[in-house]
Amino acid sequence: GEDVEQSLFLSVREGDSSVINCTYTDSSSTYLYWYKQEPGAGLQLLTYIFSNMDMKQDQRLTVLLNKKDKHLSLRIADTQTGDSAIYFCAESADNAGNMLTFGGGTRLMVKP
Amino acid sequence: DAGVIQSPRHEVTEMGQEVTLRCKPISGHDYLFWYRQTMMRGLELLIYFNNNVPIDDSGMPEDRFSAKMPNASFSTLKIQPSEPRDSAVYFCASSSLYEKLFFGSGTQLSVL
Repeated sequence: GEDVEQSLFLSVREGDSSVINCTYTDSSSTYLYWYKQEPGAGLQLLTYIFSNMDMKQDQRLTVLLNKKDKHLSLRIADTQTGDSAIYFCAESADNAGNMLTFGGGTRLMVKP
Repeated sequence: DAGVIQSPRHEVTEMGQEVTLRCKPISGHDYLFWYRQTMMRGLELLIYFNNNVPIDDSGMPEDRFSAKMPNASFSTLKIQPSEPRDSAVYFCASSSLYEKLFFGSGTQLSVL
């Protein structure tokens, strides 16, 4: 079955760039997602990328997809303390991108 | 739209009691998902509906769990009888062919 793996924890200093990595196993993935979860809240969709793209940029966020290696990354430029949260990578293989398989989440801690 | 609305936000109950969690999806979304989040198992998909019809309930842990969607704007997840190991955060999420998955704020369930 599908499997999505992430490292558990990342710590950076305010103002630095953060890079959160994710690997997945399903070669038929159509969409790959990044969600952010703040304490006591639900998951918030940050961005997503279609599998035929290799990069997507949205303000401070850059998503890189290496489909050959099944590797997805999220780069946050100029990381702020408000970026501290758990970040979930997810993939879907259905055409509509509705059936998601989530990774375990990476806890990002931003130190002032 | 107010987003996906879940109630209650917190539920504390005693073992053996019936628990009912409620969800109102985003208007116009025709997919509804119930997830459970725990430290040990991360995010697990319990069941999902399309056009109010349950499509896949293979993630429902036991017969003690049941879910219904009587109309397009309301769904319930019921646990009867509840057990301490059911303690978790339960998320409802909705989507459509044209909008990606949006999550509610979750219900924190504690079974004593």
